[in-house]
Amino acid sequence: AQSVTQPDARVTVSEGASLQLRCKYSYSATPYLFWYVQYPRQGLQLLLKYYSGDPVVQGVNGFEAEFSKSNSSFHLRKASVHWSDSAVYFCAVNTGANTGKLTFGHGTILRVHP
Amino acid sequence: GGIITQTPKFLIGQEGQKLTLKCQQNFNHDTMYWYRQDSGKGLRLIYYSITENDLQKGDLSEGYDASREKKSSFSLTVTSAQKNEMAVFLCASSRDWGSYEQYFGPGTRLTVL
Repeated sequence: AQSVTQPDARVTVSEGASLQLRCKYSYSATPYLFWYVQYPRQGLQLLLKYYSGDPVVQGVNGFEAEFSKSNSSFHLRKASVHWSDSAVYFCAVNTGANTGKLTFGHGTILRVHP
Repeated sequence: GGIITQTPKFLIGQEGQKLTLKCQQNFNHDTMYWYRQDSGKGLRLIYYSITENDLQKGDLSEGYDASREKKSSFSLTVTSAQKNEMAVFLCASSRDWGSYEQYFGPGTRLTVL
């Protein structure tokens, strides 16, 4: 069965700094990959997705992610964070085997110091 | 666009009580999901419904029942609430079973006294 690991439970950065949130997956083929964000007291919102093609995908609010098949990773990046980016970020995978089931990582809590 | 509404926002129950959470979506999506979110554990799938008359158990279905009353609504019942249980229950929907993008509601926060 596939699994998703987000090795950093919490990340703290200063406003204006660059950001990388890590995600590694375990699956024999290339899955469909997602990053979701959860702001306080809200549901999850899709940030970006990767299905195929260019390994760097752009999302909303300046976020991007890079897929690496060799490393089985899908890390999320942002060049300059804002205090409003403080939230919980979830990486998720779908095996694409005609199933709608997503497997989520445990999430990374991002805190941005103003 | 559309929206997913979950009621209630907060639910406080007693041990052993049967509790029902409701979810409505106006996306006209075929597929709906219920997840449980525990702090530090990510989201775990409880039940899902591929189409209006379908019901499937997820990875965490024990202790729960679900009901898809109509295409737009999906309810979850905690059959016997456990003392000291605290979690957020998230409802989601997708266009259909082959659509990988899921849209989430704001959640119901459950506390069991």
